[in-house]
Amino acid sequence: DAKTTQPPSMDCAEGRAANLPCNHSTISGNEYVYWYRQIHSQGPQYIIHGLKNNETNEMASLIITEDRKSSTLILPHATLRDTAVYYCIVQYGGSQGNLIFGKGTKLSVKP
Amino acid sequence: NAGVTQTPKFRILKIGQSMTLQCTQDMNHNYMYWYRQDPGMGLKLIYYSVGAGITDKGEVPNGYNVSRSTTEDFPLRLELAAPSQTSVYFCASRQTGINQPQHFGDGTRLSIL
Repeated sequence: DAKTTQPPSMDCAEGRAANLPCNHSTISGNEYVYWYRQIHSQGPQYIIHGLKNNETNEMASLIITEDRKSSTLILPHATLRDTAVYYCIVQYGGSQGNLIFGKGTKLSVKP
Repeated sequence: NAGVTQTPKFRILKIGQSMTLQCTQDMNHNYMYWYRQDPGMGLKLIYYSVGAGITDKGEVPNGYNVSRSTTEDFPLRLELAAPSQTSVYFCASRQTGINQPQHFGDGTRLSIL
């Protein structure tokens, strides 16, 4: 089973920041937090990952709390093309790389 | 920029038929994966491979077989199709090493009638 809890759905206005929360209270010290998204009918797309420090790339920012029990994915200026299901996944970085997907959060960006 | 290529994109099978879902990647990745996704659900791992000649079962392997004779190709075989195997199938690959992200194909939509 997935080790994370995410809200089933969220709405965001176009141009505003989208903040997607994820709870992972049982995360262990060597496990990373990964975010993927799946735009309708397509294969999942990698967004970002982190261990304990905040991370930023061209797509998003990842904020991890100090106790590492939760995190937030931030899309700074959401567009209609960001409408997708977002998956938060906890995984040991040195593992075989198998991803355990939950149901994710359906983000709807509205004009 | 081919990445991970899956064929066919769509297929309808009759119960009891067999078929092979093809997956090939041109990124020289050692790790490859097969997932299935049922409606409204997340992906579940069927089989994976850490290199040519090496495969292992995932969470839901029953009814499927795989082989990995080359680095590029990782076909998934359904021997006796059942309605429960109606799903969308995704293939993925990644580089060797810690924290390498997976790259996914666009999926094969399979219906068993």
